[in-house]
Amino acid sequence: EAGVAQSPRYKIIEKRQSVAFWCNPISGHATLYWYQQILGQGPKLLIQFQNNGVVDDSQLPKDRFSAERLKGVDSTLKIQPAKLEDSAVYLCASMDGGRGGEVTQYFGPGTRLLVL
Amino acid sequence: AQRVTQPEKLLSVFKGAPVELKCNYSYSGSPELFWYVQYSRQRLQLLLRHISRESIKGFTADLNKGETSFHLKKPFAQEEDSAMYYCALYTGGFKTIFGAGTRLFVKA
Repeated sequence: EAGVAQSPRYKIIEKRQSVAFWCNPISGHATLYWYQQILGQGPKLLIQFQNNGVVDDSQLPKDRFSAERLKGVDSTLKIQPAKLEDSAVYLCASMDGGRGGEVTQYFGPGTRLLVL
Repeated sequence: AQRVTQPEKLLSVFKGAPVELKCNYSYSGSPELFWYVQYSRQRLQLLLRHISRESIKGFTADLNKGETSFHLKKPFAQEEDSAMYYCALYTGGFKTIFGAGTRLFVKA
C-alpha cells in the first residue's frame, strides 16, 4: 500500500510569512495526526483528526496555527504568521482507527521548515 | 502525568557489542508501549510493540511494570542499526506520546 505522503519536503520562509503543509494519509485510515518535531526532541502532537472531525487540538497554538481535513482524507496545516521558534520538522501520521487493536501510526517523510 | 523518558540522547557502541536503549514511562493505566525507529533519510516507522512479544531485526523489549521500563536490547549490534530510536506510549483515544529519542551509533 502507498504510504503517507507529505509536501513540500522543505520550506524556507521569513518570519511573519505564512506557510502551508499538505498531507495525504494511507487510504482508508480514519485517524490523522500532525506532529511538530523540534531538533533534539521527540514528536509533539499538534492536532488529531478522526475522519474530518478534530479529536484533540489542545497543543495547537491556535493564534497562528490552523488545520483542516476536508472530506476526511487529505489535510493541510497552516502557520500564519510564522515565528522563528516554528522552525521544526512537521510530521503527518495516520492510523486505521484501531481496528483489531492495531494502534500503530504510519508516518510521512515530514516537512522541514526553517523560519529566518 | 503521562510521560516517556529516554535518558540517553546518544549511545555509541562497537559492532558486535550488546546494546540497550533505556526507556521509562509514567502512566496510571495498563500501558501499551512501542519502539519506533528512524534510519537516515527514512521516515519514522514502527520497530516493535510489547504486546507482540516479537523480535525484530534481533531487537527485543520487555515491559517491566515494576520498574515502569521498556528497554530495547540487542545482543550483537550491527552497523545498520545506527538510527534514532523513539520509545512511545499509547495512552488511549488513539493517542501516543513519544520520548525525546536516543541516537544509536554503531562503530565499525
